[in-house]
Parts: sequence; structure tokens; C-alpha cells
Amino acid sequence: GENVEQHPSTLSVQEGDSAVIKCTYSDSASNYFPWYKQELGKRPQLIIDIRSNVGEKKDQRIAVTLNKTAKHFSLHITETQPEDSAVYFCAASNEYSSASKIIFGSGTRLSIRP
Amino acid sequence: SQTIHQWPATLVQPVGSPLSLECTVEGTSNPNLYWYRQAAGRGLQLLFYSVGIGQISSEVPQNLSASRPQDRQFILSSKKLLLSDSGFYLCAWSPPGQGYEQYFGPGTRLTVT
Repeated sequence: GENVEQHPSTLSVQEGDSAVIKCTYSDSASNYFPWYKQELGKRPQLIIDIRSNVGEKKDQRIAVTLNKTAKHFSLHITETQPEDSAVYFCAASNEYSSASKIIFGSGTRLSIRP
Repeated sequence: SQTIHQWPATLVQPVGSPLSLECTVEGTSNPNLYWYRQAAGRGLQLLFYSVGIGQISSEVPQNLSASRPQDRQFILSSKKLLLSDSGFYLCAWSPPGQGYEQYFGPGTRLTVT
């Protein structure tokens, strides 16, 4: 089955700097890669996703990149702000699978230093 | 629009007591439904998922069970809680046939004492 590895487990960056979180997946059939943000004590919320037919997607200060050949995908946050502090989860799934589930990475705790 | 509810929001239960957590979804029909558990400072562990009434798939063998008595209702139960059952329990839904696109409920924080 699919396995998703996420690095680093913790990340601290200066406010205004960029943050990068990386994930790898094992199943070449995976074709949908969402990212969730979980603030302390709250539910995970979908913040951006990418499908395997594109290599990059941007939404304001966040972007995701996907390298299908290497089975890598990454989340990039630019001009970080205090409200970016949270745990971020990457995930992988196959849109056409009857398994009806997604596989999450172990999470990255991002802290923004003022 | 779709809304997902969970209750209770917090729960403190003694070891050996029963458990019932409820999740309901509004604004959609025949959703996929999911139960996850998140231990303190840890990741998301999928416990059960359901693609329809009475259809339950178990991901992790344990002392928990799930039921789906109605289309938009998903219940997580235990007959006897263990200390290790403490955690943040999250229900999620996805549109039918789109299990890759999941939306989480507000969660129930369970402490077993």
C-alpha cells in the first residue's frame, strides 16, 4: 500500500522568511496530493492540493510542487507570518481507487519566530 | 453548503467505561465518512471508514467499533475504554466516490483517566 514520508518533523523560521516542507510517496498510482494545516487544538483544514497532471500550483503565499518521476512533492510558504504557525500534513491518494481513503504524512510542526 | 458536527466536544471518562461519539453531516447525500484518532502531538490515524449505510471498513484492530445507522450519521463506540484510547477524535466526510477530498469535523477531545 501507499506510504507517505514527511520531513522535517519540526521547522522554525524567522518571520518573513520562507518555509519548505517535503514529502515522498511510494505508490506510483497516487495522483492527488492535498496539504492540510492544523492549528493548535483545531481540526485539520485543506489549504491547497495538486494533481499529477501539473507540476506546480500557487495560491498567494503558498505553493506546491510535484515531481512524479521522483515521487516527491513539497509545500512552500513565502513571507511567513505568525499565523502560519501550525502543524502541516501532506497526503497522497488515488482519485480513481475504490479504496476511498488518503494516506497522511506524519506532520511538520512549523513555528514562526517574531 | 456542507457542515459536519461532532459531539461531545470534550469528554473525560474512567478506564473501563463505555464510549459513544457521534458525527453528523448536513448538506450532502451518501457521503463517505471517516473516523481518525490523533494522539497528543502525533499524526492522524485512520480508524474506520464507511462508503454507505451499514458498510464499515476497519483499519486498525482495537477495542473500538463504528456504526453508520443513517446516511449522514457515523458513530464511534467502545465497550471498555483503555488509557491508550485518550486522544483527539476527528470525523471527516468526502463526497461520494471522492475519498481523496476529505473535510474534517471540529473533533472530540477524549481523556481516559
